[in-house]
Amino acid sequence: EAGVTQFPSHSVIEKGQTVTLRCDPISGHDNLYWYRRVMGKEIKFLLHFVKESKQDESGMPNNRFLAERTGGTYSTLKVQPAELEDSGVYFCASSQDGGRRWTDTQYFGPGTRLTVL
Amino acid sequence: GQSLEQPSEVTAVEGAIVQINCTYQTSGFYGLSWYQQHDGGAPTFLSYNALDGLEETGRFSSFLSRSDSYGYLLLQELQMKDSASYFCAVSQAGTALIFGKGTTLSVSS
Repeated sequence: EAGVTQFPSHSVIEKGQTVTLRCDPISGHDNLYWYRRVMGKEIKFLLHFVKESKQDESGMPNNRFLAERTGGTYSTLKVQPAELEDSGVYFCASSQDGGRRWTDTQYFGPGTRLTVL
Repeated sequence: GQSLEQPSEVTAVEGAIVQINCTYQTSGFYGLSWYQQHDGGAPTFLSYNALDGLEETGRFSSFLSRSDSYGYLLLQELQMKDSASYFCAVSQAGTALIFGKGTTLSVSS
């Protein structure tokens, strides 16, 4: 079974430019999460989709970040315009749904390393 | 606020046993997970505790005490390949994971 995949693996852009990150969750996983790790700090939650609906976007830092999950499959995270403090590793994770013991097991992708110059 | 505390670094030798502690202070609690991350890789799920006690998975075990807001990951028969970062994370009923800052484990021969 394929794991969570993310594209691109690395992105280097200049301040003010736009970048779009993509995440393909494990097939059949309704839950999709975005996280970010800024250098030296902990991995922090950005938002959570259940199918195509945003369940929780309390972690989104500001309105320069826009996440979508059309059709409830893959998701994109767009940063526009990018700022220096947006640099970090952006992780996507997915999980199944429904009252099993391992409901909360989230499986992570390898991340996209974003550098804003 | 919500916080998880774990040691920043741990060193050990091959064959040894190491314990990585995690204490948490969160507004909600559903379970404690542990993840392993090798440099540049995806955080990989290791274990999950929702109830008090010890869960064993091969060389790795994880423990939880809800009354003490404390858990630990126990790694036995350490191997060089176990050198990685280890994160504890609290889940809050199916939503976001709240992560600790991670513990870097270095295993030497």
